[in-house]
Amino acid sequence: AVQLVESGGGLVQPKESLKISCAASGFTFSNAAMYWVRQAPGKGLEWVARIRTKPNNYATYYADSVKGRFTISRDDSKSMVYLQMDNLKTEDTAMYYCTAGILRIPFAYWGQGTLVTVSS
Amino acid sequence: DIQMTQSPSFLSASVGDRVTINCKASQNINKYLNWYQQKLGEAPKLLIYNTNNLQTGIPSRFSGSGSGTDYTLTISSLQPEDVATYFCLQHSSRYTFGAGTKLELK
Repeated sequence: AVQLVESGGGLVQPKESLKISCAASGFTFSNAAMYWVRQAPGKGLEWVARIRTKPNNYATYYADSVKGRFTISRDDSKSMVYLQMDNLKTEDTAMYYCTAGILRIPFAYWGQGTLVTVSS
Repeated sequence: DIQMTQSPSFLSASVGDRVTINCKASQNINKYLNWYQQKLGEAPKLLIYNTNNLQTGIPSRFSGSGSGTDYTLTISSLQPEDVATYFCLQHSSRYTFGAGTKLELK
């Protein structure tokens, strides 16, 4: 069965950095586009970042709200995807979900999420 | 950016009822519309992709329809296990989620 397990969330202060991770299993990771989605407390879902596969040169895309501060990356040898978050702001406080695009269906599978809290 | 307006925000229905949830896009999204179910404390689950394609393992009481800017998720006969929040996602141009519909039993 497909599994996505996020880790690395926690409490950080504004302007600090944090890197969250997602371990994938149950599918051919190297063939899947990977995404991060977040949900702030009491708010709706917001797409954060996307990374494509090796044949697509691992191209990356970002929401305007995080562009220049967040970096998505992947390690196909470990079936891992990461989100490096720099210069964090209080408005980045959210549950962060890792999702996989499989068989050309974006956001087909989701993890349980990891909570990031940015507060002084 | 494309905006998605989902309605209703809350829905109360009885077991066996036919339930419909709507999403309206701010521009034509060419049927690039997915529907998800999220139960309390669980990861979101894909129900329908590209407007009307049922994801593997999803009961046939769930169906999707629509075109252009208007899309609908239908549950033909509500079951107790369908209590959840439902949301849509457009993937025609970047990605935008609907605000969600919380479905409860009457």
